[in-house]
Amino acid sequence: GENVEQHPSTLSVQEGDSAVIKCTYSDSASNYFPWYKQELGKRPQLIIDIRSNVGEKKDQRIAVTLNKTAKHFSLHITETQPEDSAVYFCAASFGTALIFGKGTTLSVSS
Amino acid sequence: DAGVTQSPTHLIKTRGQQVTLRCSPKSGHDTVSWYQQALGQGPQFIFQYYEEEERQRGNFPDRFSGHQFPNYSSELNVNALLLGDSALYLCASSSDIDNAGLAGGWWEQFFGPGTRLTVL
Repeated sequence: GENVEQHPSTLSVQEGDSAVIKCTYSDSASNYFPWYKQELGKRPQLIIDIRSNVGEKKDQRIAVTLNKTAKHFSLHITETQPEDSAVYFCAASFGTALIFGKGTTLSVSS
Repeated sequence: DAGVTQSPTHLIKTRGQQVTLRCSPKSGHDTVSWYQQALGQGPQFIFQYYEEEERQRGNFPDRFSGHQFPNYSSELNVNALLLGDSALYLCASSSDIDNAGLAGGWWEQFFGPGTRLTVL
């Protein structure tokens, strides 16, 4: 069935480094790919999204790239800061719903 | 402008009992989706309500049911609770019409704080 694989499951970087999280999806009809950030004990927050008619989207230090042919998309965070530490989830649309990956725990040390 | 709200915050039940969770969507949103998030996992889609009807359903048993009211708020009901139902239950609201006035906004979903359900 529909599935979203996310890697790595944990990622540790030094402050100022870049972080990259990758996801692959199985449903070729998926058209929308959001990324959520979830801090401990809090709700998932939408940080950036991309639709299938766009290859790349940037918002300050965050960017997302999409390769529809290969069915994978990635989140890039540049100049990481300690407050970027959280669990990040990718998701892909399935009908009107979202299917989520299992998450990546990002730790940024100063 | 109120965001998505959920009640209660926490709930403790015993096996076999029934539970009802509630969600009020963000102002201007008409679609509510429910997700189950087990510890250390990503949210899993349960179902989505639009115009008071279940529009799409994930891979969850019939013990999970829902309802949407005319004011767009929603309830999630779980019958015959199992230990494995212990999780954070999240609702997410969206609008079928996106910021550009086009259909397809249902994917841009904003989450509530969740209800932590513990089944003993």
